[in-house]
Amino acid sequence: GENVEQHPSTLSVQEGDSAVIKCTYSDSASNYFPWYKQELGKRPQLIIDIRSNVGEKKDQRIAVTLNKTAKHFSLHITETQPEDSAVYFCAASISPGGNQFYFGTGTSLTVIP
Amino acid sequence: NAGVTQTPKFQVLKTGQSMTLQCAQDMNHEYMSWYRQDPGMGLRLIHYSVGAGITDQGEVPNGYNVSRSTTEDFPLRLLSAAPSQTSVYFCASSQSGGRTLADTQYFGPGTRLTVL
Repeated sequence: GENVEQHPSTLSVQEGDSAVIKCTYSDSASNYFPWYKQELGKRPQLIIDIRSNVGEKKDQRIAVTLNKTAKHFSLHITETQPEDSAVYFCAASISPGGNQFYFGTGTSLTVIP
Repeated sequence: NAGVTQTPKFQVLKTGQSMTLQCAQDMNHEYMSWYRQDPGMGLRLIHYSVGAGITDQGEVPNGYNVSRSTTEDFPLRLLSAAPSQTSVYFCASSQSGGRTLADTQYFGPGTRLTVL
């Protein structure tokens, strides 16, 4: 099955700086890569996703890049704010045809005011 | 719409007891799934369903049963609780799962289960 690795496990940045979280996947058939944000005690919520037919996607201060050859994808948060502090999870899935989402182990991001 | 709802929010069991975690969604989603979340291990898929009457195993199915008699409900049953099943359980749903293009998964609020 698919194996998703996520790094780093913890990340601290100063407010206003950028944060980058990286994930690698093992199954070259994976083609859908969502990112979730989970605040303490809350449910995971989708913040951005990318499909394998594009290399980059942006949504305001958040962007995701995908390198299919190297089988890795990254989350970029610019101009970080204290409310960005949370745990971020990457995931990989195969669509259509796959019914399983494989999650990374999470990155705890702390934005220091 | 209430989205994805789960009950109970908290539960304490003794080893060997059984119980059912409830999950319901009102978005007419075909795909529903159960995950467990343990510290440092991310979210691991227990069971999933692509429609009423259809279920399948995920990564960590042992000790859990599911059924999908309606589109809306997807209960998770612990047959004989063990301390290793202490975890936070999340139910999730999406429009069509993997049969077409993968869709956004919407998560429920979670159930925190402790097995003594």
